[in-house]
Amino acid sequence: GEDVEQSLFLSVREGDSSVINCTYTDSSSTYLYWYKQEPGAGLQLLTYIFSNMDMKQDQRLTVLLNKKDKHLSLRIADTQTGDSAIYFCAEKGGSYIPTFGRGTSLIVHP
Amino acid sequence: DTEVTQTPKHLVMGMTNKKSLKCEQHMGHRAMYWYKQKAKKPPELMFVYSYEKLSINESVPSRFSPECPNSSLLNLHLHALQPEDSALYLCASSPGLAGGTLIGELFFGEGSRLTVL
Repeated sequence: GEDVEQSLFLSVREGDSSVINCTYTDSSSTYLYWYKQEPGAGLQLLTYIFSNMDMKQDQRLTVLLNKKDKHLSLRIADTQTGDSAIYFCAEKGGSYIPTFGRGTSLIVHP
Repeated sequence: DTEVTQTPKHLVMGMTNKKSLKCEQHMGHRAMYWYKQKAKKPPELMFVYSYEKLSINESVPSRFSPECPNSSLLNLHLHALQPEDSALYLCASSPGLAGGTLIGELFFGEGSRLTVL
């Protein structure tokens, strides 16, 4: 079955860049997503990338996809305290519905 | 309007109570979902409705009963729950499902936090 792996925690200083990594196993993945979840809230779709792309940039967010290694990353430039949240990687391919990773807790300290 | 609205935001119920969670979207989406999320874990899929018909039931216990009265509304009826059912229940919608494939992004509501005493 499909599997999506993420590191559980990342701590960065305010103003630095954050890089959150994700690996997946489904070679038929067509869409890869990044969701943000703030405490007590639902999941907010931040961005997604098609599997035929290797990079997508949206303001402070840069998504890099290495399809050969099945590796996805989310870079947040100039990280702010408001970026503190849990970030979920998800992929959709051969399965019906997106498969979510366990989430990476991003902690931004002054 | 790109919102999925869930009510109530918080619910506390006893094991003998019957209650319902409600979800609404006005984006014209034809697929709606219920997910369950425990603390520090990813969302787990429970049910999917496509064009108001139940498409997926992920072996969810019968004490959870979904209902889709129309294309904008999704309910989750709760009866005889257990304390381990306490969790954040997330509703989501997407433009559709076709041929077993999710079309478009999955939009989530803010969730209903359920506590079973």
